[in-house]
Amino acid sequence: QVQLVQSGAEVKKPGSSVKVSCKASGDTFSSHTFSWVRQAPGQGLEWMGRIIPIFATANYAQKFLGRVTITADESTTTVYMEVSSLRSEDTAVYFCARDVGGYSYEWGQGTLVTVSS
Amino acid sequence: EIVMTQSPATLSVSPGERATLSCRASQSVSSNLAWYQQKPGQAPRLLIYGASTRATGTPARFSGSGSGTEFTLTISSLQSEDFAVYYCQQYNNWPPWTFGQGTKVEIK
Repeated sequence: QVQLVQSGAEVKKPGSSVKVSCKASGDTFSSHTFSWVRQAPGQGLEWMGRIIPIFATANYAQKFLGRVTITADESTTTVYMEVSSLRSEDTAVYFCARDVGGYSYEWGQGTLVTVSS
Repeated sequence: EIVMTQSPATLSVSPGERATLSCRASQSVSSNLAWYQQKPGQAPRLLIYGASTRATGTPARFSGSGSGTEFTLTISSLQSEDFAVYYCQQYNNWPPWTFGQGTKVEIK
């Protein structure tokens, strides 16, 4: 069992970056897989990418390659997701989740990122 | 990228009735299919994985079936707490994992 607690809401200007954190507790951290999923207002779920901290290598959906960076800090059992060159379409709730074989067993509470000038 | 298509978009059901939700994959995903429930303002909650295995805490009134490209989530007798949006997700062909667009189950 893993509990995931995300950082608070953010308001950003277009063209800037945002970094969202997700602190994991309750179970071994490094061997788990953590994914990021976003949900635009009134829309469905969109898988962005994932990381396995012990390997420190992230994988991304093609759509987010080059603009999204997922990292993990084993010392603080925290996973991070950074989006650069923000645009209005990036306004969404961003969720972290712990994956088991591809499906997401536990989820963070979500972080609202609003991109507005 | 595998496209997941859910139907119907909205399902109006009376409490106590049966609800049947469908999910179709654009190509075979074997049994690597999960279902999630999401209520307003909350994170999704895993209900079913492996197409038919209930996650810990999922009530027995939820059942999943199917394999390949056609999947079904059945709620045998809808309770008030079951009115929500349901998403299917394939985790067979990666990247990326992909979700359906969701089915909203509303009170009739």
